Amino acid sequence: GAGVSQSPSNKVTEKGKDVELRCDPISGHTALYWYRQSLGQGLEFLIYFQGNSAPDKSGLPSDRFSAERTGGSVSTLTIQRTQQEDSAVYLCASSPDFSSYEQYFGPGTRLTVT
Amino acid sequence: EDQVTQSPEALRLQEGESSSLNCSYTVSGLRGLFWYRQDPGKGPEFLFTLYSAGEEKEKERLKATLTKKESFLHITAPKPEDSATYLCAVQAVGGNQFYFGTGTSLTVIP
Repeated sequence: GAGVSQSPSNKVTEKGKDVELRCDPISGHTALYWYRQSLGQGLEFLIYFQGNSAPDKSGLPSDRFSAERTGGSVSTLTIQRTQQEDSAVYLCASSPDFSSYEQYFGPGTRLTVT
Repeated sequence: EDQVTQSPEALRLQEGESSSLNCSYTVSGLRGLFWYRQDPGKGPEFLFTLYSAGEEKEKERLKATLTKKESFLHITAPKPEDSATYLCAVQAVGGNQFYFGTGTSLTVIP
């Protein structure tokens, strides 16, 4: 079956521009996570969605970062006024529900801010 | 503060040379410890979940074990296709976050 998909696979943007990154989770998965992976760093938790509950935004590094999940499915991570330190691979993962620890990751979006 | 430390950062093995990767963790009440494999340019792929000290899980040439302070990923008679970065993560009781280590980059030489 189809796995988690993310788009675009690569994004180059100029400093100060806004970007939107998209995640399509596995159909039926209620839990969705966003992570950031920088070179030499571990995966950094950004935000977590579970069903219709309020998202856990505790990992978002600044108010320039926001995310939404429409209809309990597709999610969009938006970064406003991008900075060079935002350059990283942004990964999305989904799980059947919160009690399932098995996260299925997408291939990621590589963001480069010039 | 919850955290995960993996060692070594990089490991080169000859094909068939068994070894172990280490994951040390500090967490306020462990809900689960997780091992993932990540190939270049791809997202992590789930391998194992361990819940309590003494637990062991096996999959092909991989065996994961857990104590109260660390986990080991044992690789028996590795093959070149086992080359990847292996990531460890923990989740605390009552928390949503998964805390990941920086990984061990494994290279298996034919």
